[in-house]
Amino acid sequence: AQSVTQLGSHVSVSEGALVLLRCNYSSSVPPYLFWYVQYPNQGLQLLLKYTSAATLVKGINGFEAEFKKSETSFHLTKPSAHMSDAAEYFCAVSDNQAGTALIFGKGTTLSVSS
Amino acid sequence: KAGVTQTPRYLIKTRGQQVTLSCSPISGHRSVSWYQQTPGQGLQFLFEYFSETQRNKGNFPGRFSGRQFSNSRSEMNVSTLELGDSALYLCASSADRGLGEKLFFGSGTQLSVL
Repeated sequence: AQSVTQLGSHVSVSEGALVLLRCNYSSSVPPYLFWYVQYPNQGLQLLLKYTSAATLVKGINGFEAEFKKSETSFHLTKPSAHMSDAAEYFCAVSDNQAGTALIFGKGTTLSVSS
Repeated sequence: KAGVTQTPRYLIKTRGQQVTLSCSPISGHRSVSWYQQTPGQGLQFLFEYFSETQRNKGNFPGRFSGRQFSNSRSEMNVSTLELGDSALYLCASSADRGLGEKLFFGSGTQLSVL
């Protein structure tokens, strides 16, 4: 069965600092991996997705993630945090080509201080 | 283009009752999936419908059911409600035309079971 583990339920950074949110996956088949963000009182939005085309994936709002098969990881990074990045971030995996039926991690809440 | 619409926004029910939630996908989207979000369990996949057929199913008891109509609108039903069913229920739609298709999420229905 597929699963994802997000290390750290809460990450705090200063504005301008590097953001690193960790995600490890478990899958017996080549996975499709996603990062979604949930802003307060808003629905989930797709940040980026990995579908085997390239190991380094660039998303919206300056985020990117690197797929590392040897480490079974798909960590999310952003070079410089902004106050508006404060939100909950979810890593997810799907074993179907359509990218539906997502298995989500528990989520990581990112706080950004000035 | 209108987004994914979920109704009602809030529901309060008592144990033992049943409830029906509605989801209208983005026009042209044929895939609709449902997720349950709780503070303890996070986001969990319930089921996915595509062209009126259930295509994927999560690990939930039979009290949880759904259906999709010919216009792609979907409903989910929970019978014999339990306190633990209190959650935010999210619906997502996708066009399902390519690899790792982006899911568009609604704002959810907040169900409280008393």
